[in-house]
Amino acid sequence: GQQVMQIPQYQHVQEGEDFTTYCNSSTTLSNIQWYKQRPGGHPVFLIQLVKSGEVKKQKRLTFQFGEAKKNSSLHITATQTTDVGTYFCAGLGYSGGGADGLTFGKGTHLIIQP
Amino acid sequence: DSGVTQTPKHLITATGQRVTLRCSPRSGDLSVYWYQQSLDQGLQFLIQYYNGEERAKGNILERFSAQQFPDLHSELNLSSLELGDSALYFCASSVQPQGKRWYEQFFGPGTRLTVL
Repeated sequence: GQQVMQIPQYQHVQEGEDFTTYCNSSTTLSNIQWYKQRPGGHPVFLIQLVKSGEVKKQKRLTFQFGEAKKNSSLHITATQTTDVGTYFCAGLGYSGGGADGLTFGKGTHLIIQP
Repeated sequence: DSGVTQTPKHLITATGQRVTLRCSPRSGDLSVYWYQQSLDQGLQFLIQYYNGEERAKGNILERFSAQQFPDLHSELNLSSLELGDSALYFCASSVQPQGKRWYEQFFGPGTRLTVL
């Protein structure tokens, strides 16, 4: 079945440093979504990427979808303490028929040291 | 607050027992999704319902079942519980207009299940 790998599992950064998490799928994805989960909270949708090579920005966050639609990345510039949490990518694969569920990566835990 | 409600918040039970988790989606959302989150397996998609009918199935065990009722609330039934079923169970909902396969999902606060 489809697998979505996410690295790194943990990332410690100093406040103000940049952060990047990478997501790789074993199969081509029709789209990819990114979610953030704060400690003790629930996942919150950040963005969805659909087109090959797509790049989207949300303030200090930059999301990319690879040309082959098998990988994606999230980059945060100048991290702040409010960025703490776990970032998940979730991919929707192509199917010969019927509906698919999202396959989530295991997430990257972002820990920020002030 | 996402607008998705889940009850109960915490559930402690014994192996072999059966429990029911309940979810009310956001007003107007027709799709409901169930996820299991554990430390070692991450967030696993279990099942999706759309307007009362099963739409997609993920890694859901045969001991687990779900349904969506006419008022669109959903229940996840877990039976013959094992220690390994201890996890956080999330429900999510989304709008599902025609012509598009997937939309952003709004997650509820989760139900923490502990099986002793």
